[in-house]
Amino acid sequence: NAGVTQTPKFQVLKTGQSMTLQCAQDMNHEYMSWYRQDPGMGLRLIHYSVGAGITDQGEVPNGYNVSRSTTEDFPLRLLSAAPSQTSVYFCASKRQVNGDYGYTFGSGTRLTVV
Amino acid sequence: AQSVTQPDIHITVSEGASLELRCNYSYGATPYLFWYVQSPGQGLQLLLKYFSGDTLVQGIKGFEAEFKRSQSSFNLRKPSVHWSDAAEYFCAVYRTGRRALTFGSGTRLQVQP
Repeated sequence: NAGVTQTPKFQVLKTGQSMTLQCAQDMNHEYMSWYRQDPGMGLRLIHYSVGAGITDQGEVPNGYNVSRSTTEDFPLRLLSAAPSQTSVYFCASKRQVNGDYGYTFGSGTRLTVV
Repeated sequence: AQSVTQPDIHITVSEGASLELRCNYSYGATPYLFWYVQSPGQGLQLLLKYFSGDTLVQGIKGFEAEFKRSQSSFNLRKPSVHWSDAAEYFCAVYRTGRRALTFGSGTRLQVQP
């Protein structure tokens, strides 16, 4: 199984450009989420989804959009990139079952906004 | 609000020495607690988790952690560190409202030969 696949692994954007970070999982997990990792701050939740068609905001949602049209995919969109969005982004998924907290993380996307 | 504090930003130990990484949490009810490890350029790997029951939990790679409710702590330990343990370690608590993990700021472990 591939698990959680994130693309691209690295990306450099200019301020104001838009892009989509891709996340796909093949484990039929209902729950998917996006985190950003910044030095000294751990991982902070951006958005999450508990199933197709359902999304909600996390701790740091500003500047990011998400949608969940299928169970497998949960793309993260930056509409107008800013230098403050330079970070490493992780996608995570798990089954939406009571008592199951087995998150699977992708290997990350390192984004630099210049 | 739920929060997680890892007081040590950076720890250096000698190979073969024992290790303890500290984690304190703030949570009203019985917390669901986790330790993750991140090797350079990699994603996060679950080391161990605590939900209830025995307060000493065993994980992968020889790690263990002890839940102490009276101290609001969930410290990670290993009796003998290997050079391959050099990585960043994150403590996390599960937030039932957002169905998501809240992470501490991490502790970077360096292992000296």
